[in-house]
Amino acid sequence: DAMVIQNPRYQVTQFGKPVTLSCSQTLNHNVMYWYQQKSSQAPKLLFHYYDKDFNNEADTPDNFQSRRPNTSFCFLDIRSPGLGDAAMYLCATSGRRGGREKLFFGSGTQLSVL
Amino acid sequence: QQPVQSPQAVILREGEDAVINCSSSKALYSVHWYRQKHGEAPVFLMILLKGGEQKGHDKISASFNEKKQQSSLYLTASQLSYSGTYFCGTEDGGSQGNLIFGKGTKLSVKP
Repeated sequence: DAMVIQNPRYQVTQFGKPVTLSCSQTLNHNVMYWYQQKSSQAPKLLFHYYDKDFNNEADTPDNFQSRRPNTSFCFLDIRSPGLGDAAMYLCATSGRRGGREKLFFGSGTQLSVL
Repeated sequence: QQPVQSPQAVILREGEDAVINCSSSKALYSVHWYRQKHGEAPVFLMILLKGGEQKGHDKISASFNEKKQQSSLYLTASQLSYSGTYFCGTEDGGSQGNLIFGKGTKLSVKP
């Protein structure tokens, strides 16, 4: 039944060691988003894909990259994680870009950086 | 432009009502409301679109005042299951139309 699946649920990495988080969806949605959510804060949009078209938010650090090899999968790569990158990373999908349709969120990946 | 939510936190007894507000300094095209429990993903509650409307299901409803650039979420006869953090997400034409979330309102319902 799960429609947006994120793996792993918890990820521990070392300072500076590249890490990849994954997201898959069974909804066949065009739009996939990555949000970063730090403790007790709002989800912050990092970037989104509209089909294969990648859209970066202006204030997303270069340390964060993303790949979308097909409609179903999307990856978040953190090239050199710092302590400040410890957060919950949420993947979400939508049938349309913009705010006209609801977002379907995955359960998130809680990233710890040691 | 990040919307402003108020209050930041509220504590209720079961059966009491609450109102959570979300306002923006920019004209809004849509407002979303989500509830998030600790350690879980946000769960969709409702969308309100430009045109000024009120929506509701069960004991949770919301209004959208386009002219005032604000939305309110109404929780009536609160239940323990309503506990969590409520986020509004707004579409204001910036960020390629994507949602920007407010800082959230933490709601605690006590027996």
